[in-house]
Amino acid sequence: AQTVTQSQPEMSVQEAETVTLSCTYDTSESDYYLFWYKQPPSRQMILVIRQEAYKQQNATENRFSVNFQKAAKSFSLKISDSQLGDAAMYFCAYRSASGTASKLTFGTGTRLQVTL
Amino acid sequence: GAVVSQHPSWVICKSGTSVKIECRSLDFQATTMFWYRQFPKQSLMLMATSNEGSKATYEQGVEKDKFLINHASLTLSTLTVTSAHPEDSSFYICRGTRGWHTEAFFGQGTRLTVV
Repeated sequence: AQTVTQSQPEMSVQEAETVTLSCTYDTSESDYYLFWYKQPPSRQMILVIRQEAYKQQNATENRFSVNFQKAAKSFSLKISDSQLGDAAMYFCAYRSASGTASKLTFGTGTRLQVTL
Repeated sequence: GAVVSQHPSWVICKSGTSVKIECRSLDFQATTMFWYRQFPKQSLMLMATSNEGSKATYEQGVEKDKFLINHASLTLSTLTVTSAHPEDSSFYICRGTRGWHTEAFFGQGTRLTVV
């Protein structure tokens, strides 16, 4: 079974600064997808970024980028130019590329605080 | 983009009563609906997976007689918490899929409080 680990329960960053959230995972599969989700106080789950394991290039979405290290099974999220609206819970998630069910396995989350 | 509409957003019920939560896929056909439970400051825990027209598959430890899931159409799935007790108080979230790359289609969530 796959597992996803987020070792940072809480992180803090100053506005306009850069912060990196860590995620590691364990799998025996070679093809899979990794995601970062944001859950603001409204608790609506928002997909931030997606990475396909077969792609070596790191995914980027505006101020959000990932550092995907397949051999190390590491998938960190970098938020540049942090904004107050970035304050939220962030979850790392894994999905297998095989089979028909698109189950997601979530990490325990990192609470990000953004300070002035 | 595709939207999953979940209702109610919050509900308070008395212990022993049943509560129904609905998730509707507004502009796509959700062949599969995932139901999650989230305790305060914790991650999402998958409760069950439902496919349209068939019985739901429950994760280990989830009581299928307490958490009744119906997925009778491609646009509607429901979760009924039967004979609710205070320990069932939680945040429930659904996610609809129509195949690959549907990771974004979460409902808004339902906060259930049983008193």
